[in-house]
Amino acid sequence: DTAVSQTPKYLVTQMGNDKSIKCEQNLGHDTMYWYKQDSKKFLKIMFSYNNKELIINETVPNRFSPKSPDKAHLNLHINSLELGDSAVYFCASSQIGVGTDTQYFGPGTRLTVL
Amino acid sequence: SQKIEQNSEALNIQEGKTATLTCNYTNYSPAYLQWYRQDPGRGPVFLLLIRENEKEKRKERLKVTFDTTLKQSLFHITASQPADSATYLCALVPIYNQGGKLIFGQGTELSVKP
Repeated sequence: DTAVSQTPKYLVTQMGNDKSIKCEQNLGHDTMYWYKQDSKKFLKIMFSYNNKELIINETVPNRFSPKSPDKAHLNLHINSLELGDSAVYFCASSQIGVGTDTQYFGPGTRLTVL
Repeated sequence: SQKIEQNSEALNIQEGKTATLTCNYTNYSPAYLQWYRQDPGRGPVFLLLIRENEKEKRKERLKVTFDTTLKQSLFHITASQPADSATYLCALVPIYNQGGKLIFGQGTELSVKP
């Protein structure tokens, strides 16, 4: 029944490692997003994909690479993790073009880089 | 520069009172503005949307106003309850909307005391 799901919920890793976060939505939406929420709770968009095509790519280090195998999945791979990457990462989905762009968020993945 | 700002300080109110949260923006032309609720450890959940040509929107105990002259939206919760305690985020969708991009404020933490 979960609309937008993410795995893992928690991720603790060492600096320099490579890690991935997975996201799936069962809402039939055509657009998916990755957001980063820092320690001050500020939620900032990183990427969005529409029907597997990258449409928003904010100023994010190229160590972050999103991949969308199909429109229900959007994964985030992070290379060479740094301390500053510690944050909560949220996946979201929406159906754009219907006049609301309401976004449905996953539960978040708390990444801690040691 | 473009900014969207909410009361950074937490808002503490007594049960039964009306909570009013503020969202101000500068140098944006929003097509519409959304309000989300975020509980600790969870993703944001959509509450209400108001369009640029609407002055007010209501949903049960929630009311949102939108003043494009003042560049401000107010979010009211009437007859507040302890269960309303959460962080409330405003987000705007610019008129030049890029694929559903939402720009979030930093959120206001609301605490309703019994």
